[in-house]
Amino acid sequence: EIVMTQSPLSLPVTPGEPASISCRSSQSLLHSNGFHYLDWYLQKPGQSPQLLISLGFKRASGVPDRFSGSGSGTDFTLKISRVEAEDVGVYYCMQALQTRSTFGLGTKLEIK
Amino acid sequence: EVHLLESGGSLIQPGGSLRLSCAASGFTFSNHAMTWVRQAPGKGLEWVSTLSGTGTTYYADSVKGRFTISGDNSKNTIYLQMNSLRAEDTAVYYCAKQSDASYDYWGQGTLVTVSS
Repeated sequence: EIVMTQSPLSLPVTPGEPASISCRSSQSLLHSNGFHYLDWYLQKPGQSPQLLISLGFKRASGVPDRFSGSGSGTDFTLKISRVEAEDVGVYYCMQALQTRSTFGLGTKLEIK
Repeated sequence: EVHLLESGGSLIQPGGSLRLSCAASGFTFSNHAMTWVRQAPGKGLEWVSTLSGTGTTYYADSVKGRFTISGDNSKNTIYLQMNSLRAEDTAVYYCAKQSDASYDYWGQGTLVTVSS
């Protein structure tokens, strides 16, 4: 099983300021096709999770461009260029390399 | 528009059985793998089971031998038959549509509570 480790677990941010979440996997998420199978999901309060980023960098449809994903191998980062109030919730990274996907514990972003 | 609607969750005693359903619309159901993900109260997300587009099934070790995933293409519905339920199975169960390996659409979830 690939273990996903996120940090920080709690992230208070002032609106308009940037935010960054780190995710590390216990083994490389590089597929033979050259892509890294790392997703980011956001679960807003009281809602189902929603896909933000796939393949480590590809924004899902409708996701604002203030969200960006980067990284390679075992180290990945989700960045929000300017946090807005609607961005509050829990952010999860997930490895999609194996069918038996695994999630990080989540990072709770709150507004200061 | 893609829509996923789970149903079947309820309060059930330990050792009991329950069948969850997930009705899908807005996409060609048979072309996509479908997955169940659960979330225990106040906890994170846990992958449970996947039904591939070719009918192959995958299970988390924690549910293998107790849960069975299946699909009915004529009804655009997937199911999760859950037997020998335990307290630790208590969770909101989400179904999710897969696009490649990502979960691009999620249902609203159905709550399963295992308690005497």
